[in-house]
Amino acid sequence: SYELTQPPSVSVSPGQTASITCSGHSLGDKYVNWYQQKPGQSPVVVIYQDIKRPSGIPARFSGSNSGNRATLTISGTQAWDEADYYCQAWDGNTAVFGGGTKVTV
Amino acid sequence: EVQLVESGGGLVQPGRSLRLSCTASGFAFGDYAMGWVRQAPGKGLEWVSLIRRKAYGETTEYAASVRGRFSISRDNSKSIVYLQMNSLKTEDTAVYYCTREMHYYDSSGHHVADLYYSDYWGQGTLVSVSS
Repeated sequence: SYELTQPPSVSVSPGQTASITCSGHSLGDKYVNWYQQKPGQSPVVVIYQDIKRPSGIPARFSGSNSGNRATLTISGTQAWDEADYYCQAWDGNTAVFGGGTKVTV
Repeated sequence: EVQLVESGGGLVQPGRSLRLSCTASGFAFGDYAMGWVRQAPGKGLEWVSLIRRKAYGETTEYAASVRGRFSISRDNSKSIVYLQMNSLKTEDTAVYYCTREMHYYDSSGHHVADLYYSDYWGQGTLVSVSS
């Protein structure tokens, strides 16, 4: 079965850039979505189809995907960006989530 | 306003069955695929199942971990999606989220294959499987 691998944690200072990676075999051939989940809340999509931002998501969130790695970048990280972040991709007719990355600001 | 409200969770013994419901409002339910994602206590997200919209035959997909035990269905007249869970195991213990699934679009505004992202999530319902 297809697997997506994320680092368990990333630490970033306020105002700096956080990069969260998601690795998978030939991941660049697939589209990747990214979800943010704060404690006690339901997930929210922050990036879909590799690079697209839903309305209402700040422009400091951006995505890229190439080769075997996708990256979610948070520029000018704010304290309220502290959350768990999950990547997701489709492998055939089933979806797969990465294990999640806890971002500490 | 799009709303997804799950119900039907609770405590159930291993081997028994449970049916979850998700009542949707605020959008044209029949025009969207719907899904279920779960999260075990203190763990990450796990994709569970998808049901496509009527135009795509309301066909279904399942994660390997639940295939053959869980069944997803929808009632477009009531804007409800169901998850029938049979032969429950302790490892099925989780919060189950209902999701609205949005197609990808290309620059011309056409659907990109049969791929989705979850643009709305319910608040979740807890299923505990224990003896």
